[in-house]
Amino acid sequence: QSVLTQPPSASGTPGQRVTFSCSGSSSNIGNRYVYWYQQLPGTAPKLLIYRNDQRPSGVPERFSGSKSGTSASLAVSGLRPEDEGDYHCAAWDDSLSAVIFGGGTRLTVL
Amino acid sequence: QVQLQESGPGLVRPWETLSLTCSVSGVSVNIGSYYWNWIRQSPEKGLEWLGYIYYSGSTTYNPSFKSRLTVSLDMSRNQFSLNLKSVTAADTAMYFCARSYSYGHFDFWGQGTLVTVSS
Repeated sequence: QSVLTQPPSASGTPGQRVTFSCSGSSSNIGNRYVYWYQQLPGTAPKLLIYRNDQRPSGVPERFSGSKSGTSASLAVSGLRPEDEGDYHCAAWDDSLSAVIFGGGTRLTVL
Repeated sequence: QVQLQESGPGLVRPWETLSLTCSVSGVSVNIGSYYWNWIRQSPEKGLEWLGYIYYSGSTTYNPSFKSRLTVSLDMSRNQFSLNLKSVTAADTAMYFCARSYSYGHFDFWGQGTLVTVSS
């Protein structure tokens, strides 16, 4: 069981807005930056959001991140079929002295 | 552009050492702005960060792997490597190398290489 908790699945229809949650504690999300990764089928993870809410160059504005207390969220608006895949959150954990990942949420675009 | 590519055997015998290399192009591993990481992924454990090496040669390892893991840097070949000792079936996973700016900020990844531990 991951230290960062993510729901195993989410779904939406094209054009909808979907939100992914990532729940942690004061030893990780509460005092550290959160990062979000998109992993499309058969590929390596790709950085979507860094430092809680910053988008790397090339990531569309319809992807946005936020953090509040010991939880973080990733929102995807204007859902597209090509968004289907796994979404992972990550953060440093001060107690474990390691980068930790959530278990990932699998997005299905109906 | 920055590219990373893992290489190494796809099959390792139990209790032997798993050795992988990450070849880096488009950027020098000898730059002080980046950390060079190993991450693995399995269906059972998901994504697990193993550790990183800095251009100075200093390393930081996940405590869960510290007793078995060595990460090294070869600046002449612009590569870095992973050695994981005494592997078991639990070490069967897709292994990725990745560049990071800081803890958790992995901006470039290799495509991954599948390693199976089996006799």
